[in-house]
Amino acid sequence: QQQVKQSPQSLIVQKGGISIINCAYENTAFDYFPWYQQFPGKGPALLIAIRPDVSEKKEGRFTISFNKSAKQFSLHIMDSQPGDSATYFCAASMEYGNKLVFGAGTILRVKS
Amino acid sequence: DGGITQSPKYLFRKEGQNVTLSCEQNLNHDAMYWYRQDPGQGLRLIYYSQIVNDFQKGDIAEGYSVSREKKESFPLTVTSAQKNPTAFYLCASSLKGLADVYEQYFGPGTRLTVT
Repeated sequence: QQQVKQSPQSLIVQKGGISIINCAYENTAFDYFPWYQQFPGKGPALLIAIRPDVSEKKEGRFTISFNKSAKQFSLHIMDSQPGDSATYFCAASMEYGNKLVFGAGTILRVKS
Repeated sequence: DGGITQSPKYLFRKEGQNVTLSCEQNLNHDAMYWYRQDPGQGLRLIYYSQIVNDFQKGDIAEGYSVSREKKESFPLTVTSAQKNPTAFYLCASSLKGLADVYEQYFGPGTRLTVT
C-alpha cells in the first residue's frame, strides 16, 4: 500500500516531442505528489508538485495530470529538449510531505 | 551560499568496517532525511529526523544508525551489519510540515563502495 509504481523504466523521445511518464499509487491517504529530476551524479531536485484537490498543474513545459479516482498521476514534458535528459522520479507522501515514497524512476533521453 | 553538503563524494571501505557519511545543512531546516539509491529502485528512506535529538526509522533502517545532536548535522553510519552497503546515499532536508507541505532539498550524494 505504500508503493508508488512508475512507468516506463526508460524513454527515448525526439527533440520537440512530448515525454510522458506515469505513476500509480494505492494508498488513498497520500496527499502530496511531487516529481523530481535528477542528473547523473547529482541529488534530485523538485520539478513540480500537485495536491489531490486539482486535476492538473502546469509550470512552463512541465504539466502534472492527476486522476484521483484512478489513483494515477503523470508528468508531461512538452517540446522536450536534450537538456531534459535525466532521471525522473515521482513520489507521494502524507503527513505534509515529511515522508516521501518514491517510484523506481524513468531514464529519459531526448535525441537531438 | 545556502545548501546541503555531503562529504566525501566518493568513499571506499573494506567489508566489515563501519563508515560514517556526513550531511550538513545551513538552510535552518528542522527535518533531515537519509535515502539510499540503487539502480532501478528509486530512493528508499533509511532514517529521518524532525527535531534535534529525535529520529525515526524509515523503510530500510537495518544496518544503519544516525544521530541528530545539532540542527544542521545528521550523520549516517553504515555498520558492518548492513548486508549490501554499496550504494549512492542522499541526504535531504526540509522545513517541518505542520500545516503545509514543504519541499525536500537534496544534497549531492555520497557514493559508497564496499569491497
